[in-house]
Amino acid sequence: NAGVTQTPKFRILKIGQSMTLQCTQDMNHNYMYWYRQDPGMGLKLIYYSVGAGITDKGEVPNGYNVSRSTTEDFPLRLELAAPSQTSVYFCASRLWGSGISPLHFGNGTRLTVT
Amino acid sequence: AQTVTQSQPEMSVQEAETVTLSCTYDTSESNYYLFWYKQPPSRQMILVIRQEAYKQQNATENRFSVNFQKAAKSFSLKISDSQLGDTAMYFCAFVNSGGGADGLTFGKGTHLIIQP
Repeated sequence: NAGVTQTPKFRILKIGQSMTLQCTQDMNHNYMYWYRQDPGMGLKLIYYSVGAGITDKGEVPNGYNVSRSTTEDFPLRLELAAPSQTSVYFCASRLWGSGISPLHFGNGTRLTVT
Repeated sequence: AQTVTQSQPEMSVQEAETVTLSCTYDTSESNYYLFWYKQPPSRQMILVIRQEAYKQQNATENRFSVNFQKAAKSFSLKISDSQLGDTAMYFCAFVNSGGGADGLTFGKGTHLIIQP
């Protein structure tokens, strides 16, 4: 049971380049999330999904896109990288049900845009 | 919109001491969940403890306990007998109980340093 797996761990992009951050979970969780973490700013929600085929914007969605074709995978796409997107990105998942289950996080991707 | 405030950007204590990290939140909801997450230098996000707002009893997990004051909208974390391995960023987080599909709202974090 690997939990939430993110790839890559590190990436450097040039301004204007594109890339996809991969996220997969093997816990059959229906809810998945993408957060970004900037120094001193906590974690901010970019996009989330409540199940395959359903996605919605979070607090800071501009410059990003997501898709959810399967329960397991929730990739995050950056189309035209900008220096403001330099951050650490976390994917997380949890199971919907009675009560609130905690978020399970991946180990993060550190992205630098220069 | 809910907000979570952690007013201590950084704290430093000696090993074996007790330390309390503060967290306040703002919501109009009556039922919700609160969490403390730990982020060591490895960057991994680790759940420390959680509290359900309708439960009056404060949650406890080994050396970690909370002081939940619902009327004051306060949710502080107490670490007893602090250890070097407790050095980390600590984040307070909130989610409404109505599904919470839109994710947790996090505070900006407190950097806790345990000195030998």
